[in-house]
Amino acid sequence: QQQVKQSPQSLIVQKGGISIINCAYENTAFDYFPWYQQFPGKGPALLIAIRPDVSEKKEGRFTISFNKSAKQFSLHIMDSQPGDSATYFCAAVTVQGAQKLVFGQGTRLTINP
Amino acid sequence: NAGVTQTPKFRVLKTGQSMTLLCAQDMNHEYMYWYRQDPGMGLRLIHYSVGEGTTAKGEVPDGYNVSRLKKQNFLLGLESAAPSQTSVYFCASSYRLAATDTQYFGPGTRLTVL
Repeated sequence: QQQVKQSPQSLIVQKGGISIINCAYENTAFDYFPWYQQFPGKGPALLIAIRPDVSEKKEGRFTISFNKSAKQFSLHIMDSQPGDSATYFCAAVTVQGAQKLVFGQGTRLTINP
Repeated sequence: NAGVTQTPKFRVLKTGQSMTLLCAQDMNHEYMYWYRQDPGMGLRLIHYSVGEGTTAKGEVPDGYNVSRLKKQNFLLGLESAAPSQTSVYFCASSYRLAATDTQYFGPGTRLTVL
């Protein structure tokens, strides 16, 4: 049972374009929504995250948009660069004895030069 | 600081063999986690630990055992490997029990079970 659904599975964007990855969640008990970036052969690393009481968070070229009523959130990468080519995972966090992360399926992003 | 390290990086097993994956962190983190990553399924939590000497089951614990005898190490064991356990395994650690705390991931172990 996938509690966080992510789309698309893969995405190709031209250099300088906007990359958009979408996620939807089912459990209203989630407390935090991070995005992780993973390069080939490496482990995931935190990219940006948002609290559910905030509608948007921006860090440089990366922006999370959050729609609590629709239970959806998305990652926007502005002015996409070849170095942004990676796999991106959205996640949703609950704290139940430990910090529990539920990950989306992942999106493989390719930025063409 | 090395952060989170994992050994080995790659391993090939035959069905029925056993092995142990080692995770080590030098950040003095209380919480440690084992995940498996499979294509199209993201990362799924296998087991976790909230401190030295503790372990608990995650989402997909069957076929795995874990131990945390020292705060800095978290071991994942496969007693009798099956082809369904072919995956990339990631260890992670975090400092606090807070939703906003960051989990730091190791580089992964790619395991193939024939």
